[in-house]
Amino acid sequence: QQPVQSPQAVILREGEDAVINCSSSKALYSVHWYRQKHGEAPVFLMILLKGGEQKGHDKISASFNEKKQQSSLYLTASQLSYSGTYFCGTERNNAGNMLTFGGGTRLMVKP
Amino acid sequence: DAGITQSPRYKITETGRQVTLMCHQTWSHSYMFWYRQDLGHGLRLIYYSAAADITDKGEVPDGYVVSRSKTENFPLTLESATRSQTSVYFCASTGIGGSSYEQYFGPGTRLTVT
Repeated sequence: QQPVQSPQAVILREGEDAVINCSSSKALYSVHWYRQKHGEAPVFLMILLKGGEQKGHDKISASFNEKKQQSSLYLTASQLSYSGTYFCGTERNNAGNMLTFGGGTRLMVKP
Repeated sequence: DAGITQSPRYKITETGRQVTLMCHQTWSHSYMFWYRQDLGHGLRLIYYSAAADITDKGEVPDGYVVSRSKTENFPLTLESATRSQTSVYFCASTGIGGSSYEQYFGPGTRLTVT
């Protein structure tokens, strides 16, 4: 039931763009995105709600395809500070605040 | 200080011992969660609580016990620690009522069971 993230890892140069995908086999109410730097706690980036409402970071965008139960996180003009592991957390309908996290996508941005 | 804190930050214990990990938040968030993080598995939910005295199992609850007598505290107890419980444990909390609020994570507790 864990959502599947792809790619598992990506290396970028500063200024390049990246897309991270998250796919679930279950009907979803919302998708959350978090970033975790090495040795630190995950930090919230974005929530995408069923029905299209989006809340989050103004330098990172995301989409949520409710029909396909897929979400994508778009990182444009990447900065060194974008490096870290990105996790999607999916919330199923009527699941309250329970999230199921994907395995993560490791992103490294090089100068 | 305001926020969510965990203690201890590091713990080494022996197989079979009981261990309690503490979590404290100052926001009066109704929901609190315990996750474990292992390489290759991301974050897995152990237990969660919707309010004081209301707790429920998550994805991997076996071997763990929780309680929540006060809104601000959510301790996690390993009744008889096993090597497979070596992990990094994160506590998280989220806002008042409703769903789809962002979760705030504590700094984590790195537990090693020898």
